[in-house]
Amino acid sequence: ILNVEQSPQSLHVQEGDSTNFTCSFPSSNFYALHWYRWETAKSPEALFVMTLNGDEKKKGRISATLNTKEGYSYLYIKGSQPEDSATYLCAFSGSRLTFGEGTQLTVNP
Amino acid sequence: DGGITQSPKYLFRKEGQNVTLSCEQNLNHDAMYWYRQDPGQGLRLIYYSQIVNDFQKGDIAEGYSVSREKKESFPLTVTSAQKNPTAFDLCASNIDFNYGYTFGSGTRLTVV
Repeated sequence: ILNVEQSPQSLHVQEGDSTNFTCSFPSSNFYALHWYRWETAKSPEALFVMTLNGDEKKKGRISATLNTKEGYSYLYIKGSQPEDSATYLCAFSGSRLTFGEGTQLTVNP
Repeated sequence: DGGITQSPKYLFRKEGQNVTLSCEQNLNHDAMYWYRQDPGQGLRLIYYSQIVNDFQKGDIAEGYSVSREKKESFPLTVTSAQKNPTAFDLCASNIDFNYGYTFGSGTRLTVV
């Protein structure tokens, strides 16, 4: 079983703060790295799928970077809002998708 | 709107009883997956199917069975061999590894 690690496990920030989380994954047999946002009582929602080393993707205030050679990805949220509160999951795609445990973000108004 | 429908949302199972969770998608996706979430752990793969009439065991397949007779449907049967007292099971589908997964809303299964 592949090891996908996310840190921190949980994070509390104030509205307006910028924040970032880390996902580390095996650097061999890489196909893609996925990021998902999972809000309470909803389904996980795909944010980004990244395939190339050095890839950077952005969706509104959220962006992600990818380093496949060293096996890590960062997710950044600029100017956090209470509606950003959710668990952020990363998943490594080798022969199949393996998820990390997630980072639980709480944004306080 | 296209999406994945899971039912039921909550299910109570007696010890020794088999139950079946439904997962239907109208996205025309070839691949479908079942994941389980346990407290303190990431989503773990139970079974997956990349094409009709074919499926593979995931990392925690013991106590489960699946079928894939139609592209739209991937039901999961939880058998009496599954000892976990409570589980949250999620169904997902996608076109291929370069695309994000679409998830259902999940079924919370409790043994009573």
